[in-house]
Amino acid sequence: QKEVEQDPGPLSVPEGAIVSLNCTYSNSAFQYFMWYRQYSRKGPELLMYTYSSGNKEDGRFTAQVDKSSKYISLFIRDSQPSDSATYLCAMSGGSNYKLTFGKGTLLTVNP
Amino acid sequence: DSGVTQTPKHLITATGQRVTLRCSPRSGDLSVYWYQQSLDQGLQFLIQYYNGEERAKGNILERFSAQQFPDLHSELNLSSLELGDSALYFCASSAGPSLYEQYFGPGTRLTVT
Repeated sequence: QKEVEQDPGPLSVPEGAIVSLNCTYSNSAFQYFMWYRQYSRKGPELLMYTYSSGNKEDGRFTAQVDKSSKYISLFIRDSQPSDSATYLCAMSGGSNYKLTFGKGTLLTVNP
Repeated sequence: DSGVTQTPKHLITATGQRVTLRCSPRSGDLSVYWYQQSLDQGLQFLIQYYNGEERAKGNILERFSAQQFPDLHSELNLSSLELGDSALYFCASSAGPSLYEQYFGPGTRLTVT
């Protein structure tokens, strides 16, 4: 079983839709959870960073962590064509000295 | 623009050759991280340097090596290149040794023919 699983998509939604992106993980020591956005041919860009369980909101973006289910989510409200990108989850914690990334979900928001 | 710079943007070379990738971190950042991104493996952590010292090592092959210089820029050396080394190589930086807020550069696309 991979440490971090992420549905690669692709996911295609109309402009204005609410988007839900998810990752599951197997390492119960993970405590730090991040979401990165990567546009085509660009480096990943840090979007959200949360510690342990709970929700964090930043503008149209909300990150949720459910440690009991080993499940994290990123919600995008009022999605825009400029949100079209690959979204990567990443996590770390415990004796894990590195960020472990999901393989990314490709999102397309259609105008 | 993250403030992290990487050169070159593209590199095409032959099997068996050696190349050097260069990274300049954001101003003030002391940590530099190297990653390899391929379609099948995703983004894989290679190595981290903090203020000139190696801090953590990931899935870095013995044919690969890195260093961080006193001015904090870093170089990743890839030798005896194989076709499977073709990938995007990213450098990231963060302010301290903590790896939780990393800022990525634009990457170097390496093609081994």
